[in-house]
Amino acid sequence: NAGVTQTPKFQVLKTGQSMTLQCAQDMNHEYMSWYRQDPGMGLRLIHYSVGAGITDQGEVPNGYNVSRSTTEDFPLRLLSAAPSQTSVYFCASHGTGRAKNIQYFGAGTRLSVL
Amino acid sequence: SQQGEEDPQALSIQEGENATMNCSYKTSINNLQWYRQNSGRGLVHLILIRSNEREKHSGRLRVTLDTSKKSSSLLITASRAADTASYFCATDFGGSQGNLIFGKGTKLSVKP
Repeated sequence: NAGVTQTPKFQVLKTGQSMTLQCAQDMNHEYMSWYRQDPGMGLRLIHYSVGAGITDQGEVPNGYNVSRSTTEDFPLRLLSAAPSQTSVYFCASHGTGRAKNIQYFGAGTRLSVL
Repeated sequence: SQQGEEDPQALSIQEGENATMNCSYKTSINNLQWYRQNSGRGLVHLILIRSNEREKHSGRLRVTLDTSKKSSSLLITASRAADTASYFCATDFGGSQGNLIFGKGTKLSVKP
């Protein structure tokens, strides 16, 4: 069982470059989220989706775009990377039901913006 | 911020000792969860306690919840070197989307 798969694992960008962080889950979860983790800051929610075609902003959405065309995939786009976006990015998914918001995390993407 | 806050920020103990981490939050919750993160890895869910529960056990883990004090504790008994990790509490404030608010974590080091 793959669970939540993130690619790439590492990425170095120059300021102003764009890129897409990929996230895929094979658990048929409706809910997917993107977080960033910075030292001493815990995890902060960037964007989330409650189903295909539906996305919304989290706590720190500026500089990031998302879309959800399928249940499985939830890519995160950086349109013009800035050094402040240097961070570790985690994708997570969760299902519905009694334990609906137990989240399953990918291994993360470590991004450096120079 | 509605963020949960863990205490202490870092904890260093010897193998075999118990480790206790605390989490405080600010508003009422549906449930509170604890996650573990090994260095360089994603978070892994450990245990969920609902607002109407006071204590829950899972193996060597014991979680308590005091909604009157808006606090929770995670106890790891008979710790092992493999328990070395960061531990996060996450609170569900009841939004329909099921989003969690994560604390900043406690970094636990268990020395052999």
